Amino acid sequence: DARVTQTPRHKVTEMGQEVTMRCQPILGHNTVFWYRQTMMQGLELLAYFRNRAPLDDSGMPKDRFSAEMPDATLATLKIQPSEPRDSAVYFCASGLIGGAGPQYFGPGTRLTVL
Amino acid sequence: SQQGEEDPQALSIQEGENATMNCSYKTSINNLQWYRQNSGRGLVHLILIRSNEREKHSGRLRVTLDTSKKSSSLLITASRAADTASYFCATDFGMNSGYSTLTFGKGTMLLVSP
Repeated sequence: DARVTQTPRHKVTEMGQEVTMRCQPILGHNTVFWYRQTMMQGLELLAYFRNRAPLDDSGMPKDRFSAEMPDATLATLKIQPSEPRDSAVYFCASGLIGGAGPQYFGPGTRLTVL
Repeated sequence: SQQGEEDPQALSIQEGENATMNCSYKTSINNLQWYRQNSGRGLVHLILIRSNEREKHSGRLRVTLDTSKKSSSLLITASRAADTASYFCATDFGMNSGYSTLTFGKGTMLLVSP
């Protein structure tokens, strides 16, 4: 049963620390998305990769956030330095045809920045 | 904002009853998708309806799309306690830049009581 995996599932850190979240997309999927979910803003798109190339990261605060796909089996989202307002659940999703088709979500990383 | 808006924000029903959720959006779309999210989990894709389709079924789910009114509805028939979750609509606006992404609404929280 193919599924998207994310690590860690939970992360508590202090303000100013670096946070790295990892995602393994479903094998064969060529599009990967990073989303952030909060009660206030709902689900926001942070970054979008197709064939490992970044297509859209306009939703990401560039000064502190970075997203990469070092290979087809790993996507990373890094926050440096972290701030309390970054506290949220971060989801990775993968798919075959971007927004034109279904996206398959991982279980999320719940980040708390103290 | 281009995101879809679900209505109602919360819905409470008894097992066996039907649940109807609505989604409205503002600009023309390529497709509209519905997702379910159980508490503490990632989103799960339920159904995709394309802009040239008016109705789709999947098991106990029925989705309609009215592009003239820019709205969609999700009907869950004969609801079960296990249907308790948040339901999100997501729209693909088909960007001109050669790729498309999904924009999610803030969801309807459905509570089905035994």
